[in-house]
Amino acid sequence: LAKTTQPISMDSYEGQEVNITCSHNNIATNDYITWYQQFPSQGPRFIIQGYKTKVTNEVASLFIPADRKSSTLSLPRVSLSDTAVYYCLVGEVNTGFQKLVFGTGTRLLVSP
Amino acid sequence: DTGVSQDPRHKITKRGQNVTFRCDPISEHNRLYWYRQTLGQGPEFLTYFQNEAQLEKSRLLSDRFSAERPKGSFSTLEIQRTEQGDSAMYLCASSLGAGEKLFFGSGTQLSVL
Repeated sequence: LAKTTQPISMDSYEGQEVNITCSHNNIATNDYITWYQQFPSQGPRFIIQGYKTKVTNEVASLFIPADRKSSTLSLPRVSLSDTAVYYCLVGEVNTGFQKLVFGTGTRLLVSP
Repeated sequence: DTGVSQDPRHKITKRGQNVTFRCDPISEHNRLYWYRQTLGQGPEFLTYFQNEAQLEKSRLLSDRFSAERPKGSFSTLEIQRTEQGDSAMYLCASSLGAGEKLFFGSGTQLSVL
């Protein structure tokens, strides 16, 4: 499974756009990139998943360059409630078994 | 969609005691996963089920740990002869199938005194 590297923490203010970059240099051809969000005392929650280029949903955007060795989660106009830990994961999606490997994640703190 | 339910939310036990946790997945999900999370770390994979079959177990899952999913519905995770190092949040997740996103429960926080 490809190892990921993310910043340990980030700070932002309400209303700003936050971009969290994840490095995954040894990503395999069949690997997808998935981001989860986790609040204290709760389980992780799926945010977004992509394979290449750009994916957007109602919560975030995911930018993946052509070499796929990194990806960027973009959170538009964050609010205090976006304070959480964000995990970047890579792994095969279309095989019989998907074992997600979580790193230590990025702790995002949004201040007023 | 009632979500993944875990019981109890908190468990305090003495070293050497046995504990059992329960997970009720989303009803139509045939895959069920157990993860363990310690403070400041991301969740670590323990085991997963496809319906009632336990298909993968992590090396983290010592012989004191056992998981079952009878009839492919709810699952239980039992820890025998608990140790202080077992103190952690135990998370359960389910998914519709291969390649589908995981839905996590709120976890069971275990404290071994």
